[in-house]
This record gives sequence, C-alpha cells and structure tokens, in this order.
Amino acid sequence: DAGVTQSPTHLIKTRGQQVTLRCSPKSGHDTVSWYQQALGQGPQFIFQYYEEEERQRGNFPDRFSGHQFPNYSSELNVNALLLGDSALYLCASSLAWVSSSRETGELFFGEGSRLTVL
Amino acid sequence: KQEVTQIPAALSVPEGENLVLNCSFTDSAIYNLQWFRQDPGKGLTSLLLIQSSQREQTSGRLNASLDKSSGRSTLYIAASQPGDSATYLCAVPDNYGQNFVFGPGTRLSVLP
Repeated sequence: DAGVTQSPTHLIKTRGQQVTLRCSPKSGHDTVSWYQQALGQGPQFIFQYYEEEERQRGNFPDRFSGHQFPNYSSELNVNALLLGDSALYLCASSLAWVSSSRETGELFFGEGSRLTVL
Repeated sequence: KQEVTQIPAALSVPEGENLVLNCSFTDSAIYNLQWFRQDPGKGLTSLLLIQSSQREQTSGRLNASLDKSSGRSTLYIAASQPGDSATYLCAVPDNYGQNFVFGPGTRLSVLP
C-alpha cells in the first residue's frame, strides 16, 4: 500500500522564480492538504483540496496556489519566491471530513519537499 | 482561534526511562487529537489518533490520553530507547475539521 509520495525531495530556486511541488495521496484517500514547516517550528496549514476544489485556506498570500486532479493527486505552486519561502513543504492526505460523524480521519504525511530560496 | 502548546520544548533522558510529553490546546471543542513523530529533515509519522469520544489510545510502548475539558493530552512513552529520539508533535483540527493546528513539538533525545 503506497503511502503519500512527494516530489521533488529537494530543490533550490532564486528569488522571483516560481516552483511547483507534487503530491500523490495514500491509496483510498480523496483529500489533500499542504503545510509549510519552517525550521524548528510546527507545520502551518496552507490549504486543503477535495473534489478538485480548495475547501479551506490558511493565512498564506495568493502567491501560493494549488490544484487537485481527478486522480486526487495535487500540486502546490508558489510564484515570485521570497527568501522567507524557504521551508519544508509537507503534503498530507486523509479521507474527506464528514460533519455528521463529528470525527475526522487520520492524517498521513509524505516525506516533504525541501525548498531553498537563494 | 485554536492554539496548541507543548511542554517541554526539549527533553534528554537515559535509555530505559518512562517519560511524559504534554500538549495543551485552547479550544476544547475538538473532534480528535493526533500525535506525530518527526525525524530530522523528514516528514511526519502518525503515532496515535484519539477521537473526541475516546479518552486514550495505546500502541506498543506508547499511550496517549485526552482530557477535552481541561484542554490537555499526554503522550506516555514506556521504557524509552535511543531509536525514540525524534521530535514529537501534537495536532488538533480547527472548528471546521479541515485544518490541523500543530504545536511546536518536543525534541526528545534518549541517551544510550
């Protein structure tokens, strides 16, 4: 059973460039969330995708955008890179949250994409 | 707005000790709480998920408890081993159940 896979694992960009990160969710999962983790801190929520639409967004600028494909895989795009965008970008997958059950599914994370902006 | 804190920030213990990691959250109306482990430079590995209707969960040498009314969870690690050295993070979903809010983590070192 393949877990969450992310690519690339490491990449280096310069300020002003654009980057695309990719994620394939765990088999059977339909929801993908993206998190940014700065060194020494907990992950910060960027946004979540379900049924190819953005369901919720954290406190991140519009330079951060995403997409979900019919096979549930997802991309995170960051435009006009800043030095402060250097971080570990984590993808997490889960089953869709069902409000009636008042339970949320377990989150499973990939190994992350380490982005360095010079 | 949900906020999560973890104490201690770092912990160093000799091998074999039992230890407790603490997690506190400000909004007690949570659906669940999840504990993760993170090795340096790696992704997060799920350890335990406690639903709001449960009070504790166990997996091997790990036991996590949840007290919603007091806004606290503890992760108990029995008979610690050097391989347990990692950062441990707790997370709770926000009111919409879709955004997980993470604590800053506890960095654990188990010395041989």
